[in-house]
Amino acid sequence: SAVISQKPSRDICQRGTSLTIQCQVDSQVTMMFWYRQQPGQSLTLIATANQGSEATYESGFVIDKFPISRPNLTFSTLTVSNMSPEDSSIYLCSAAAGGHEQFFGPGTRLTVL
Amino acid sequence: RKEVEQDPGPFNVPEGATVAFNCTYSNSASQSFFWYRQDCRKEPKLLMSVYSSGNEDGRFTAQLNRASQYISLLIRDSKLSDSATYLCVVNSGGTYKYIFGTGTRLKVLA
Repeated sequence: SAVISQKPSRDICQRGTSLTIQCQVDSQVTMMFWYRQQPGQSLTLIATANQGSEATYESGFVIDKFPISRPNLTFSTLTVSNMSPEDSSIYLCSAAAGGHEQFFGPGTRLTVL
Repeated sequence: RKEVEQDPGPFNVPEGATVAFNCTYSNSASQSFFWYRQDCRKEPKLLMSVYSSGNEDGRFTAQLNRASQYISLLIRDSKLSDSATYLCVVNSGGTYKYIFGTGTRLKVLA
């Protein structure tokens, strides 16, 4: 398994601003993922972040709104840009450590006013 | 039709009961199947992978039926600490992408 940490754990932001979420894994992993979970809903994949290549975004998510960095095999960031109240959600990163199982970070709870 | 479907529940069961959840998936090319557990305001945690031959881990048994495209989770001798949301997860057509079900809420009552 992999141990994953995220920063910040929560934030309250003003609309129009941007927030960058950091995700750190305790071991080298090939694939990292960013998800969003709206209150009372299940997880929706935003994008897959592979080291050394551009992130792959899912339908409904675009790079201008959710730029992602993956500078090495243990770290990734997700930026939520030009935020609006609809971006209020929990953002989770995960990593696939060898097998197909994914392990999740504790999440970042974002509230946009 | 959703790619992964689960009964949202809630399932309210007494301590010691046996409870089963089913989950159906639509992509016949899916190769990997998992059950995750998510406690309130926490991240999902891997409960168990689901293998073709079925697998058991203590009080938990997972089954896969490829012909009917469903997976199941059986919990025996339910404990209060089993109260959580159980997420069915299927990979998308053999890729690393996960497709999550909406989750089944379980509440074990004293």
